[in-house]
Amino acid sequence: QVQLVESGGGVVQPGRPLKVSCVASGFIFSNYGIQWVRQAPGKGLEWLAVISYDGDDIYYADSVKGRFTISRDNSNNTVSLQMNNLRPEDTAMYYCGKDIYPYHTNGWTTVDSWGQGILVTVSS
Amino acid sequence: DIQMTQSPSTLSASVGDRVTITCRASQSIDSWLAWYQQKPGKAPKLLIYKASSLQSGVPSRFSGTGSGTDFTLTISGLQLDDFATYYCQHYDGLPVTFGGGTKVEIK
Repeated sequence: QVQLVESGGGVVQPGRPLKVSCVASGFIFSNYGIQWVRQAPGKGLEWLAVISYDGDDIYYADSVKGRFTISRDNSNNTVSLQMNNLRPEDTAMYYCGKDIYPYHTNGWTTVDSWGQGILVTVSS
Repeated sequence: DIQMTQSPSTLSASVGDRVTITCRASQSIDSWLAWYQQKPGKAPKLLIYKASSLQSGVPSRFSGTGSGTDFTLTISGLQLDDFATYYCQHYDGLPVTFGGGTKVEIK
């Protein structure tokens, strides 16, 4: 079955970087785009970024553009989110998710499976 | 950005009730709408995509309707397992955005 497992979260000081990763299994990883969303404590869902199946098309939310970088390694079924210059408002649970449709390139898609999430806390 | 507005924000209901949640988009999104269920401490679960298509494995008591700007999620015969928070999400362009959520509580 489809499985996505996030890792790399933790407590980080404001201004510092952190990289979270998502390892996938149970589907042909190289055929599907992967998205990241986050959820601040007690709040709703915020879309952050998407990377196409081949890594050629990448899109970001304005709130993280220039600070976050999404990348993928299809040989290791892994997507990463490098987060730089972290702010206290970046404190959230971060989820990666698999696009519902294969070979999608414009990012206009939804997710049919999410990982369990990883907590990132930005605090001094 | 397209704004998604859900109502109500909280809903109290009993087992067996028919429950309807509405979602309104700030501009037309055709049928590019998904509904998710989220329980505390868990990841969202896709229920409905393309406004009315039931995701595989989701009970048939869940249904979605609508197109353009107005959408509804209906739960026909609320079960104990359905008490959760529900989010709509559009994907007719970037950024994709979510509604603020509707918490379905036990009356």
